[in-house]
Amino acid sequence: DVKVTQSSRYLVKRTGEKVFLECVQDMDHENMFWYRQDPGLGLRLIYFSYDVKMKEKGDIPEGYSVSREKKERFSLILESASTNQTSMYLCASSSTVSGNTIYFGEGSWLTVV
Amino acid sequence: KQEVTQIPAALSVPEGENLVLNCSFTDSAIYNLQWFRQDPGKGLTSLLLIQSSQREQTSGRLNASLDKSSGRSTLYIAASQPGDSATYLCAVHGSSNTGKLIFGQGTTLQVKP
Repeated sequence: DVKVTQSSRYLVKRTGEKVFLECVQDMDHENMFWYRQDPGLGLRLIYFSYDVKMKEKGDIPEGYSVSREKKERFSLILESASTNQTSMYLCASSSTVSGNTIYFGEGSWLTVV
Repeated sequence: KQEVTQIPAALSVPEGENLVLNCSFTDSAIYNLQWFRQDPGKGLTSLLLIQSSQREQTSGRLNASLDKSSGRSTLYIAASQPGDSATYLCAVHGSSNTGKLIFGQGTTLQVKP
């Protein structure tokens, strides 16, 4: 069964802290994504990666960076967390081999205080 | 720039009713379209994916159609049940094969017993 796992479901961090959100998929997918979801704004793409060590900016990359050292793992990094980064973060993966059906993790709720 | 719109934003129906959720997109040059379900506080679950060359896809009580020329897709739910209550999102892939999706804002469905 398809699985995208986000390591932390709920986090509370202080302003200025460095925050790591981890995502692992077990489907050998080449594409991985980080979205954030906010009421009234829907899902917005932060970064995506289509191969190991490859990354591309999405629609709202400011204040974020990513790392993809291994195919199965895609990390989102908030270098210096701010209160406007309080949100639900969703990781996803897909493969062009399987027609680009995209699979999501359960989400990580981040609160920055 | 591709924009995806879902109308209505919210819908309440009695159990047993057949219903249609609408999705429209501004650029007909899409790679495919995907429908998702999201329960409160959870990630997204893929329901149906329609390739650009297809007109519809079916899974159980769900049927999704695609009309690229008019920029529209519909999700038909037959014999609705209280367990169908959730937010339904549609998303389109652009013409690339990286799997990047553009999401609509979603329709929140409530099915009353």
